[in-house]
Amino acid sequence: AQSVTQLGSHVSVSEGALVLLRCNYSSSVPPYLFWYVQYPNQGLQLLLKYTSAATLVKGINGFEAEFKKSETSFHLTKPSAHMSDAAEYFCAVSGSNNNDMRFGAGTRLTVKP
Amino acid sequence: GAGVSQTPSNKVTEKGKYVELRCDPISGHTALYWYRQSLGQGPEFLIYFQGTGAADDSGLPNDRFFAVRPEGSVSTLKIQRTERGDSAMYLCASSFQAGVTTGELFFGEGSRLTVL
Repeated sequence: AQSVTQLGSHVSVSEGALVLLRCNYSSSVPPYLFWYVQYPNQGLQLLLKYTSAATLVKGINGFEAEFKKSETSFHLTKPSAHMSDAAEYFCAVSGSNNNDMRFGAGTRLTVKP
Repeated sequence: GAGVSQTPSNKVTEKGKYVELRCDPISGHTALYWYRQSLGQGPEFLIYFQGTGAADDSGLPNDRFFAVRPEGSVSTLKIQRTERGDSAMYLCASSFQAGVTTGELFFGEGSRLTVL
């Protein structure tokens, strides 16, 4: 079984500051890891994914995440926050199939001007 | 439309009533998923379909919940004898196939259910 834990239900940064959203996973098989973003009044959309290729994964809107097996982590970062990054971010893990994808509780990112 | 469509977007009902929530996936997507998202929580898996059959319904909380996908496209989530604890956002997602992990689940905007 797979699960993820997102540390921090709320993160607030200033515009232009580094964004760091934390995710740790647990998996009995080699995991596939994902970050999804949910903007207000919209459905979840895939931001980036790790599927056992490169450990540093680049996604849309300047976000990237690094898979660290030794730390069982998949933290999401962005060098410089933009106001439009304000949203809810969900980390997810699956095993060998999409059907066992499981989500974390989410982290709400607020960007202050 | 091009995306996953869910109706109704909002449903308010009374305790004990029966509710149906509909999901129209992206054309050609064989896999369909239902999740429930409570306030302040991430999506919680309910059930997934591969084609017409429910391949995994282990997430359904009890026998008041049931879902069908009779023709392998549109799916309906059915909740009998609704309880206040059923109040949540119900999310539907689809993907091209479930047997391969692509991560690309396409989500609808959800149906918000409120049970008074």
